[in-house]
Amino acid sequence: DTGVSQNPRHKITKRGQNVTFRCDPISEHNRLYWYRQTLGQGPEFLTYFQNEAQLEKSRLLSDRFSAERPKGSFSTLEIQRTEQGDSAMYLCASSPRAGGITGELFFGEGSRLTVL
Amino acid sequence: AQSVTQLGSHVSVSEGALVLLRCNYSSSVPPYLFWYVQYPNQGLQLLLKYTSAATLVKGINGFEAEFKKSETSFHLTKPSAHMSDAAEYFCAVTAGGSGNTGKLIFGQGTTLQVKP
Repeated sequence: DTGVSQNPRHKITKRGQNVTFRCDPISEHNRLYWYRQTLGQGPEFLTYFQNEAQLEKSRLLSDRFSAERPKGSFSTLEIQRTEQGDSAMYLCASSPRAGGITGELFFGEGSRLTVL
Repeated sequence: AQSVTQLGSHVSVSEGALVLLRCNYSSSVPPYLFWYVQYPNQGLQLLLKYTSAATLVKGINGFEAEFKKSETSFHLTKPSAHMSDAAEYFCAVTAGGSGNTGKLIFGQGTTLQVKP
């Protein structure tokens, strides 16, 4: 299967710990997006990359959050000093077009974070 | 800037009945509009999209939506509901044309329940 892959699918951690999520986009997709989804809400944009360049970050992305996409392939989203409010589903998506002509995103199944 | 409002967080229909999920958008530029479906513990799957071509858009699983600029709406319909349609549905908007970055803004979602 060549869809968007996210790992781990589930992560339970204690408040104050650091966590890292990984996203492998569809091969050759040069845009990669991170979203956060809480229960009963739609996905909220966090950040996106075109190749290895991070082009936009939402103000939702506090200083405790950092995302990277080395070499324009997979991406990681790290949350430092986790708080209970960070509990959510973190979704990754990729897009095949540099110009974003159609805007269609292909989503992974998400990584669910629970902070105790 | 773009935003989306989905009217009704929960819609319940009988199997075989018409499905109507409402979406209104706001956009300062011509928009691209999307409907995504999310089944439990899964990622988002594209149902259909409007990208400034035909205003009546047909998607997968018998769904369709009509772009109405005068009403700033993009409602999702299906003539006859099936049990397998029970899921969460999200309307999303992004800036169309040369301003498109691929970043989607989602509504809060509508849960569709299908009763036998």
